Amino acid sequence: AQTVTQSQPEMSVQEAETVTLSCTYDTSESDYYLFWYKQPPSRQMILVIRQEAYKQQNATENRFSVNFQKAAKSFSLKISDSQLGDAAMYFCAYRSALDKLIFGTGTRLQVFP
Amino acid sequence: NAGVMQNPRHLVRRRGQEARLRCSPMKGHSHVYWYRQLPEEGLKFMVYLQKENIIDESGMPKERFSAEFPKEGPSILRIQQVVRGDSAAYFCASSTTGSRDQPQHFGDGTRLSIL
Repeated sequence: AQTVTQSQPEMSVQEAETVTLSCTYDTSESDYYLFWYKQPPSRQMILVIRQEAYKQQNATENRFSVNFQKAAKSFSLKISDSQLGDAAMYFCAYRSALDKLIFGTGTRLQVFP
Repeated sequence: NAGVMQNPRHLVRRRGQEARLRCSPMKGHSHVYWYRQLPEEGLKFMVYLQKENIIDESGMPKERFSAEFPKEGPSILRIQQVVRGDSAAYFCASSTTGSRDQPQHFGDGTRLSIL
């Protein structure tokens, strides 16, 4: 069975600085998708970025980028030029062959002015 | 284009009552997923449905929980004889197809509180 591990329960960053959130996963599949979701205090689940395992190139979405290391089964999220609105819980997720999402336990990001 | 709509936003039930949670997927989406989030935890998969079919219910408790997605109307997650441990946020997500390249779009969730 696939598992997703987020080893950082909490992280903090100064406004305008860069922060990296870690995620590792375990799977025997070769083709899959990985996602980062953001959950602000309003508790919405907002898709931040996604990565197809088949693609070598790291995904980027404006200030958000990933470092995908397939051999190491690592999928970290880098947030550049952090803003106060980035404060939230961040969940890493794996999409299995059976299409359900498997989530990590989350990292709470605090952004200080 | 309205997003995934879940109602009610908050639901309070006493132990032993029934809870019915509704989810209307995004327009054009025929695949629905239910997830449960216990306090301070990540989301856990419960069930995956297409119209009138349950595709994967491997995350559903064997008793008291059921889900449906009828041909017409919203998907319903039903919890019978609720207990304190059912208190959680329940999220619904939808996608156009079950293909992995199609992202799942989430609703705002229903927060269920059991007195």
